[in-house]
Amino acid sequence: DGGITQSPKYLFRKEGQNVTLSCEQNLNHDAMYWYRQDPGQGLRLIYYSQIVNDFQKGDIAEGYSVSREKKESFPLTVTSAQKNPTAFYLCASRTSGSNEQFFGPGTRLTVL
Amino acid sequence: GENVEQHPSTLSVQEGDSAVIKCTYSDSASNYFPWYKQELGKRPQLIIDIRSNVGEKKDQRIAVTLNKTAKHFSLHITETQPEDSAVYFCAASRAGSARQLTFGSGTQLTVLP
Repeated sequence: DGGITQSPKYLFRKEGQNVTLSCEQNLNHDAMYWYRQDPGQGLRLIYYSQIVNDFQKGDIAEGYSVSREKKESFPLTVTSAQKNPTAFYLCASRTSGSNEQFFGPGTRLTVL
Repeated sequence: GENVEQHPSTLSVQEGDSAVIKCTYSDSASNYFPWYKQELGKRPQLIIDIRSNVGEKKDQRIAVTLNKTAKHFSLHITETQPEDSAVYFCAASRAGSARQLTFGSGTQLTVLP
């Protein structure tokens, strides 16, 4: 299960707090993605990055922020502005020239 | 933007029977169509994919068909086994972009022994 890792596996947050989810990959992939998954639904794109120091909003970016200071790392911050943050968050990466995205194991965020 | 619809949302089959899951997409520029399998609490894993210049692709018990004119594609699993039980997602993406994937809502497949 190496290659792309996410931490922590489970995360609990109080309302009004920001929280940062980690995503690291050692696959030398250029592109990285963050998805949100809710029960009974498909994956929805939050943010993506094709190169270091560049990223774009996906379909549901409101209440989230990202950074891409290193090729290997693409952390996601869930801010207090996200009204319904409880979900399963998945990070993925892809090498240039390929379509296939590889997923990390996910972080389950619960807001108390 | 792209919209992907997936049916059925749940599917139960007897072990050894075939299972078919169907997806439709809206953007005629989409040219890459992967299928992912996700077991409970785990990461999605690619099981098969197809590009728009191909009508059908097969890998052992799994096959995918694509009808570009109708903008739909299907996953076929033959000789189903209990370990095939999982949620299956279809997706679509365009070339030349960041290759963002738009996912269907998923199908919970249960293979009954």
